[in-house]
Amino acid sequence: EAGVTQFPSHSVIEKGQTVTLRCDPISGHDNLYWYRRVMGKEIKFLLHFVKESKQDESGMPNNRFLAERTGGTYSTLKVQPAELEDSGVYFCASSHSSGNTIYFGEGSWLTVV
Amino acid sequence: AQSVTQPDIHITVSEGASLELRCNYSYGATPYLFWYVQSPGQGLQLLLKYFSGDTLVQGIKGFEAEFKRSQSSFNLRKPSVHWSDAAEYFCAVNTGFQKLVFGTGTRLLVSP
Repeated sequence: EAGVTQFPSHSVIEKGQTVTLRCDPISGHDNLYWYRRVMGKEIKFLLHFVKESKQDESGMPNNRFLAERTGGTYSTLKVQPAELEDSGVYFCASSHSSGNTIYFGEGSWLTVV
Repeated sequence: AQSVTQPDIHITVSEGASLELRCNYSYGATPYLFWYVQSPGQGLQLLLKYFSGDTLVQGIKGFEAEFKRSQSSFNLRKPSVHWSDAAEYFCAVNTGFQKLVFGTGTRLLVSP
């Protein structure tokens, strides 16, 4: 069974540009999450989808971040325009609808220069 | 608010020695507790979890953790550390709303 997959694994963009990160959850997992770790700080929750609906987006830092999960399958996280402080690792994770165990992907490492 | 504290930012252990990484949590109800590991350049891998029952849980790679409600702790242990265990370890609590709260992580260095 494939795990959570994320693309791209690494991205370097200039300040002001746009980046779109993609996440494919484990097949059959209704719950999909985005987390990020910036500047060596703790990993922080961004938002949670249940199927295609946003269940909790309390962790989204500002309106430069837009997450979508059309059709309840894969998800994208767009940062537009990117700022220097957005550099970090963006983790996607998923879990079964009845499970409390959350499985993470390998992360998308974003560097804004 | 829920929080997780990992008081040790860095720990250095000799290969073959025992290891204990500390984790304390703050949460009003019975928490779901996790340890994840991030090896260099890798993603977050689940080591073990505690939901209920036996307070000593076994995980992958020879790790175990003990839940102590009276101390609000969930410390990670391994009897003999291998060089491949060098990584960053994260303790996390699931507050029951499908949201994980992480500690700041402990970076483990293994010396020869």
